[in-house]
Amino acid sequence: EPEVTQTPSHQVTQMGQEVILRCVPISNHLYFYWYRQILGQKVEFLVSFYNNEISEKSEIFDDQFSVERPDGSNFTLKIRSTKLEDSAMYFCASSEALRGSGQPQHFGDGTRLSIL
Amino acid sequence: RKEVEQDPGPFNVPEGATVAFNCTYSNSASQSFFWYRQDCRKEPKLLMSVYSSGNEDGRFTAQLNRASQYISLLIRDSKLSDSATYLCVVNVAGNQFYFGTGTSLTVIP
Repeated sequence: EPEVTQTPSHQVTQMGQEVILRCVPISNHLYFYWYRQILGQKVEFLVSFYNNEISEKSEIFDDQFSVERPDGSNFTLKIRSTKLEDSAMYFCASSEALRGSGQPQHFGDGTRLSIL
Repeated sequence: RKEVEQDPGPFNVPEGATVAFNCTYSNSASQSFFWYRQDCRKEPKLLMSVYSSGNEDGRFTAQLNRASQYISLLIRDSKLSDSATYLCVVNVAGNQFYFGTGTSLTVIP
């Protein structure tokens, strides 16, 4: 069964540094997402991406964050000038089909980001 | 006001029991509904979509009540492997999805 893959599985970074989290969505999927989950808290939507541009973003997704699809397979989340409170599990997800149809998402197994 | 609310539990039930979870959502324009399960420190995994007419998948039954704005998940004949956190997920419009905090289930031998 095709799956979403994320790298690295664990990233440890000094506060103030930039990190790039990488994802390879399922190949025939058109919509891509980033979520975060702070330990013990709920999964929070960050951003959705379609047709090479951001389609939705949450209040969390401020200027510190950016996403990119640099080639036909990778989907990246960049966090600039990281803060302690950015420590969380970051999940990438993808779904197929039409905007607004609410197709279920398939999640990668996450990148645990630890800011020191 | 939270978009999606769930009773966090925990629910501790014996093997073989039937257990039900509810989830309420605040936006009447919500379009799509899902139940995911999440094991400790793992990614959410789709359990089932929830259709207007209700749907069943083996031991799992999901129902939607639009008038009251809640969805439910019923698990029959609970197995030890059902122990997990069950996440209610709602899509309001476009491609933004709201997650509940999850309901913790432990099935006891």
